[in-house]
Amino acid sequence: NAGVMQNPRHLVRRRGQEARLRCSPMKGHSHVYWYRQLPEEGLKFMVYLQKENIIDESGMPKERFSAEFPKEGPSILRIQQVVRGDSAAYFCASSPPNQDRANYGYTFGSGTRLTVV
Amino acid sequence: KQEVTQIPAALSVPEGENLVLNCSFTDSAIYNLQWFRQDPGKGLTSLLLIQSSQREQTSGRLNASLDKSSGRSTLYIAASQPGDSATYLCAVRSNFGNEKLTFGTGTRLTIIP
Repeated sequence: NAGVMQNPRHLVRRRGQEARLRCSPMKGHSHVYWYRQLPEEGLKFMVYLQKENIIDESGMPKERFSAEFPKEGPSILRIQQVVRGDSAAYFCASSPPNQDRANYGYTFGSGTRLTVV
Repeated sequence: KQEVTQIPAALSVPEGENLVLNCSFTDSAIYNLQWFRQDPGKGLTSLLLIQSSQREQTSGRLNASLDKSSGRSTLYIAASQPGDSATYLCAVRSNFGNEKLTFGTGTRLTIIP
């Protein structure tokens, strides 16, 4: 059972380009969370999704950022018109369905390190 | 608003020593608390999860305690090894309906051979 898979591991984009970060949750997990870690800062919650639904996006910047978790395929975090301040490590976590989550922590992927040049 | 603090920010100890990492949180109404390890340039590895009803959890040389009333958790590492060198993060989940984890900024631990 592979863990949470994120790709790419490293992504370099020029200012103004789009960045697409992918996250495949652990097998059997139906909940996905995205966190951002800015240099020398702690991880900050961005968005929580279930299949085809955004449950909580209170941590998402108002502009340029969007996330989806389609019925088929990985979750995608999309950043349009990237700026240097978007350079960070983006981590995805997953957890199982509600009935199994009462005593379950989160499993994190290895992250995508975005560098905007 | 929940805030999580980890002190010290960095710690160096000789190999073989026992050590304690501290985590404090401002809102004691938590659902659970999770300790993670992060190696440089890598992802997060879950170490221990403590539910709000529990006082401690143990895994190998690691022991995590939780005191909700005082808003504190400690991670005890016994007989430290160079391989324990990493950044240790604690994260609080505030309640069952709230899925967010609030992270501390971590303690960077260096074990000196």
